[in-house]
Amino acid sequence: SQQGEEDPQALSIQEGENATMNCSYKTSINNLQWYRQNSGRGLVHLILIRSNEREKHSGRLRVTLDTSKKSSSLLITASRAADTASYFCATDGSSYKLIFGSGTRLLVRP
Amino acid sequence: EADIYQTPRYLVIGTGKKITLECSQTMGHDKMYWYQQDPGMELHLIHYSYGVNSTEKGDLSSESTVSRIRTEHFPLTLESARPSHTSQYLCASSVNRGKETQYFGPGTRLLVL
Repeated sequence: SQQGEEDPQALSIQEGENATMNCSYKTSINNLQWYRQNSGRGLVHLILIRSNEREKHSGRLRVTLDTSKKSSSLLITASRAADTASYFCATDGSSYKLIFGSGTRLLVRP
Repeated sequence: EADIYQTPRYLVIGTGKKITLECSQTMGHDKMYWYQQDPGMELHLIHYSYGVNSTEKGDLSSESTVSRIRTEHFPLTLESARPSHTSQYLCASSVNRGKETQYFGPGTRLLVL
């Protein structure tokens, strides 16, 4: 079963607006990562947050982690058309594996 | 931009053909992975490798096989392709620390007729 599940499944916003997507997971983790995937391409790592961190920033990205609720959120501020992509959270499972959620498809309208 | 490459990028073949999807990385990473992803869906791990001569099956059962004879090379083979194998196949690698950032190739889109 999936460890991470993103919400919403799809999000459409106007350029300049903020985009927030959420990820819930089931078991304890060491870290949680967010990746972006442009259509038909591989995934690109965006940010990693460790279980002892509550918030992390990288440019226009802000990630929060609430281990008590087993949830994380990714905020993209001042969105651009180039941010249009699918966004996946990934949690570390057993061994050397990451478990990816089902993704949020973000559309930023110019 | 990650130094991990996949060929071919697109492949259309007939049922019953044998195919090999290539994946190479120049980062010296020990860990390598193959994922299968249907359009708009989540990634499913089908194979992974800890290093040379080490391969393991992933969470999703797959009729494909892999080999790891060299650190930089992790090919995936389908002995007899079927329409149910139509999907996107993504290769990834990570440094020898486990559970850390994975670097992905651009993927191979496979269509089996």
